[in-house]
Amino acid sequence: DTEVTQTPKHLVMGMTNKKSLKCEQHMGHRAMYWYKQKAKKPPELMFVYSYEKLSINESVPSRFSPECPNSSLLNLHLHALQPEDSALYLCASSRDSTPGYTFGSGTRLTVV
Amino acid sequence: DAKTTQPTSMDCAEGRAANLPCNHSTISGNEYVYWYRQIHSQGPQYIIHGLKNNETNEMASLIITEDRKSSTLILPHATLRDTAVYYCIVRVGQAGTALIFGKGTTLSVSS
Repeated sequence: DTEVTQTPKHLVMGMTNKKSLKCEQHMGHRAMYWYKQKAKKPPELMFVYSYEKLSINESVPSRFSPECPNSSLLNLHLHALQPEDSALYLCASSRDSTPGYTFGSGTRLTVV
Repeated sequence: DAKTTQPTSMDCAEGRAANLPCNHSTISGNEYVYWYRQIHSQGPQYIIHGLKNNETNEMASLIITEDRKSSTLILPHATLRDTAVYYCIVRVGQAGTALIFGKGTTLSVSS
């Protein structure tokens, strides 16, 4: 298995809703990442997990809450989002011994 | 990590070589040059990386100048499926540090 799987692919949520994005990989990668990408912009790093511990939080608002329950799974919990949080949310993973990141196809989130 | 400068957009005819330049004049000795691309509505895809020697794989070639201040990604025979945004990224080490994306070059391949 050489993929990063993100679910759901599309999500529409209201500003008072709570939802979660899920990311899964079975490549034995011990680093996992969340990125946010607005239209026609490059991906922006949000969080980095290394060996299931949060190592980087790029000053992301608390309405985004990451969780890494095990080495294969990464979640992003969403609560009280704003319309400007609408974006493509990308998950990626990597291993120390290999140079490249493997990205998922992303979850396209719309906040209404 | 060092800053990179890329042209905003480039065009290429199908079947011809696409040469995408990147300037990274402040690169440090322990920083690698990485290239990724992102096809519309997909996640970014790793292409190639190098430190100071030229590199080639099944997707592309990477030419790094001797002073390491610039590099060129070469797609030898561009196809329509190579239309994408190409990102040149400079970062320390081979893994472990986060990947930070710049604006990239939008390559349009036409028939």
